[in-house]
Amino acid sequence: DSGVTQTPKHLITATGQRVTLRCSPRSGDLSVYWYQQSLDQGLQFLIQYYNGEERAKGNILERFSAQQFPDLHSELNLSSLELGDSALYFCASGGAGGITDTQYFGPGTRLTVL
Amino acid sequence: GNSVTQMEGPVTLSEEAFLTINCTYTATGYPSLFWYVQYPGEGLQLLLKATKADDKGSNKGFEATYRKETTSFHLEKGSVQVSDSAVYFCALTSGSARQLTFGSGTQLTVLP
Repeated sequence: DSGVTQTPKHLITATGQRVTLRCSPRSGDLSVYWYQQSLDQGLQFLIQYYNGEERAKGNILERFSAQQFPDLHSELNLSSLELGDSALYFCASGGAGGITDTQYFGPGTRLTVL
Repeated sequence: GNSVTQMEGPVTLSEEAFLTINCTYTATGYPSLFWYVQYPGEGLQLLLKATKADDKGSNKGFEATYRKETTSFHLEKGSVQVSDSAVYFCALTSGSARQLTFGSGTQLTVLP
């Protein structure tokens, strides 16, 4: 158990809909990272938050957004969903967000868009 | 930019065989290097890491040495077990980029 929790575990929805994925980092960790894992793209970084502020952005679509709240949990919002958004979405947490930090991954949310 | 190239899979071995999974990288600055493992239906777990040249990371019988001269971080284990069957990902962080850049993953199956 990494100490990172993600909800829900599975999500099935239709094209055009909007969903919210939730992540709670390990106690004491200030950084939250979101990654997408798909068969064709592999594991890709989406976005990072540190202590409530956006710190880095990767290949995140404009239809996707995220935020980190004062209690440090984070939410990833995916809107106008397309079939190609079906993937496993992972949240990871780290300490100060330095490059030597270990990132601890949650169990993931499997999103299926029908 | 940063990139990680991993040995193509899948890899199938018999129990107690020697394992090597090759990983090479391209990065700006001085990267930190990681191996993560993903068991079926689970998230990624850190297996080992190395943060500077010539460091050796080790855990659960797995080892990898940070080789700056060959930009490599190959994963090795002397005697694999059935329970080692999983997907292994090589990854790095470098420069101002705190996020992990992953290789494509190598599926390992160990047969009894």
